[in-house]
Amino acid sequence: EIVLTQSPATLSLSPGERATLSCRASQNINSYLAWYQQKPGQPPKLLIYDASYRATGIPARFSGSGSGTDFTLTISSLEPEDFAVYYCQQRTNWPAFGQGTKVEMK
Amino acid sequence: EVQLVESGGGLVQPGGSLRLSCVASGFSFSKYWMHWVRQAPGKGPIWVSRISGDGTSTTYADSVEGRFTTSRDNAKNTVYLQISGLRVEDTAVYYCALEVFDFWGQGTLVTVSS
Repeated sequence: EIVLTQSPATLSLSPGERATLSCRASQNINSYLAWYQQKPGQPPKLLIYDASYRATGIPARFSGSGSGTDFTLTISSLEPEDFAVYYCQQRTNWPAFGQGTKVEMK
Repeated sequence: EVQLVESGGGLVQPGGSLRLSCVASGFSFSKYWMHWVRQAPGKGPIWVSRISGDGTSTTYADSVEGRFTTSRDNAKNTVYLQISGLRVEDTAVYYCALEVFDFWGQGTLVTVSS
């Protein structure tokens, strides 16, 4: 079973700041990693797939990088609507999710 | 426009059963794998199961194997999740999602409590 560990659990930032979220896999998953944003009462929204490709309609301030076991989601300049919980997901045989990083307003 | 609409959730006693439905529209339903994902209150999403476009192949998370059954009716553009032997820890919002998780429904809440 592949386990994803996200850090930090909470990120306290102000609008306009850069957010850097980490996701580490317990074994090599190549580039089979996705990132999601979730707001209260809504389903997760796909942001990034295959580690670095933005999904349709996702703003360029969101970027993903990494391969193997270490991955990063970067939000270059936080907008008010970006404060939410972010999950990574590995897409091997068993598409498991990480436990999430909450990006909260400082 | 792709739409996924879940239904069938509710309050159930431990040991009970439910059948959840997800009606799809806006795409060629029979060509795509479909997933079920659940999310307990305040927790992260957990993948539950998936089913192939023709319905002949299914896969389940270890935690639900043997209690959950996924099926589909392509004539009705609907995927189902049959849940039996419900436990308190099955309490969650249950979502259906399209093959690469680019589209999700709004979810249906299942509450297991006596």
